Amino acid sequence: GQQLNQSPQSMFIQEGEDVSMNCTSSSIFNTWLWYKQDPGEGPVLLIALYKAGELTSNGRLTAQFGITRKDSFLNISASIPSDVGIYFCAGPPYILTGTASKLTFGTGTRLQVTL
Amino acid sequence: ETGVTQSPTHLIKTRGQQVTLRCSSQSGHNTVSWYQQALGQGPQFIFQYYREEENGRGNFPPRFSGLQFPNYSSELNVNALELDDSALYLCASSIGLQSQYFGPGTRLTVL
Repeated sequence: GQQLNQSPQSMFIQEGEDVSMNCTSSSIFNTWLWYKQDPGEGPVLLIALYKAGELTSNGRLTAQFGITRKDSFLNISASIPSDVGIYFCAGPPYILTGTASKLTFGTGTRLQVTL
Repeated sequence: ETGVTQSPTHLIKTRGQQVTLRCSSQSGHNTVSWYQQALGQGPQFIFQYYREEENGRGNFPPRFSGLQFPNYSSELNVNALELDDSALYLCASSIGLQSQYFGPGTRLTVL
């Protein structure tokens, strides 16, 4: 089945540092979504990407849809303590004809920010 | 706040029992998807409902079933609970192919 691998698995950074993480797939995706999840809560959508090569920002977050359509990148600039959490990439591995699609989630990147 | 609500927040059941989890979708969203998230893992797709019909199913046995109502809210039912069913159950609503917005989840513990 579809697999989305995220790296790094976890990272400790200092407040104010920039963060980069990526997600790779074994097959082509038409959409890439980035979510953040805090402990015991549901994932919160951060950024959605719909076209190969697309670069989209949301405040201090920037994400890119890879040209090959098999990868995506998320960058966080000037990290702050509330950036702590698990970041997931996700996408629909296929689209059911005439209907909506399911999401496959990556393995997650756990981010911890120290003061 | 996504506008997606789930109930209950937490639930404890014993093996063999049955459970019903509920989800209210965001206003205007006609599609509800259910996911199971085990500790330390990413969410796994269970199934999706679009306009009251099941529309795609993941790798889960038939004892996982669901419903969607005319107001687009949804239920997830799990029969004959097993210890491995302990997880955070998430529902997400969307408008067709658009991005999915998640609720806070229901934490199910099976003893």
